[in-house]
Amino acid sequence: DAKTTQPPSMDCAEGRAANLPCNHSTISGNEYVYWYRQIHSQGPQYIIHGLKNNETNEMASLIITEDRKSSTLILPHATLRDTAVYYCIVRVDNYGQNFVFGPGTRLSVLP
Amino acid sequence: SQTIHQWPATLVQPVGSPLSLECTVEGTSNPNLYWYRQAAGRGLQLLFYSVGIGQISSEVPQNLSASRPQDRQFILSSKKLLLSDSGFYLCAWSKTGYTEAFFGQGTRLTVV
Repeated sequence: DAKTTQPPSMDCAEGRAANLPCNHSTISGNEYVYWYRQIHSQGPQYIIHGLKNNETNEMASLIITEDRKSSTLILPHATLRDTAVYYCIVRVDNYGQNFVFGPGTRLSVLP
Repeated sequence: SQTIHQWPATLVQPVGSPLSLECTVEGTSNPNLYWYRQAAGRGLQLLFYSVGIGQISSEVPQNLSASRPQDRQFILSSKKLLLSDSGFYLCAWSKTGYTEAFFGQGTRLTVV
């Protein structure tokens, strides 16, 4: 799986949009971009994933650059409960492929 | 709907004692199953994954082992725990060909 690079930490004001970047410059054509988050002492929670088109669901939006070498997870109106470590993962959606987590970005939503 | 159960939530064990953590998945069949470990302040490390009954792949050599006696049951074991085995252990599942993995709530193991 391609490696990803994320900033170790970010702050965001409550109610504002949180934009979390991820670099995946060696991503292959068939690798998807996934985002998970982990709130302290809980299991990781799936947020969103995409291949090359931008995606949106009830939790977040995923913006993938045209060259697919980077992406941004957007939480449109961050709340205190969004404080967590956010992981960007790239993987091939094939039989037996694993989810490999890096260190992620620790997002702190401030009141 | 699918659910994943992992127990116990917390466990304190002495060095040298055995370990058995169990994970079960409901509401799906033939899932891919995973065991991860997260040391304090660190990222998630994949330990084992399984694509079917009796099929276990180890990612990291250590004194832990995994077994899958039934389709939706995944067990993490050790014969003799080490201090370095302390951590947060997470079980997860995914469908072959599907995209997301879903995680249990984890077991916090402290070896003393």
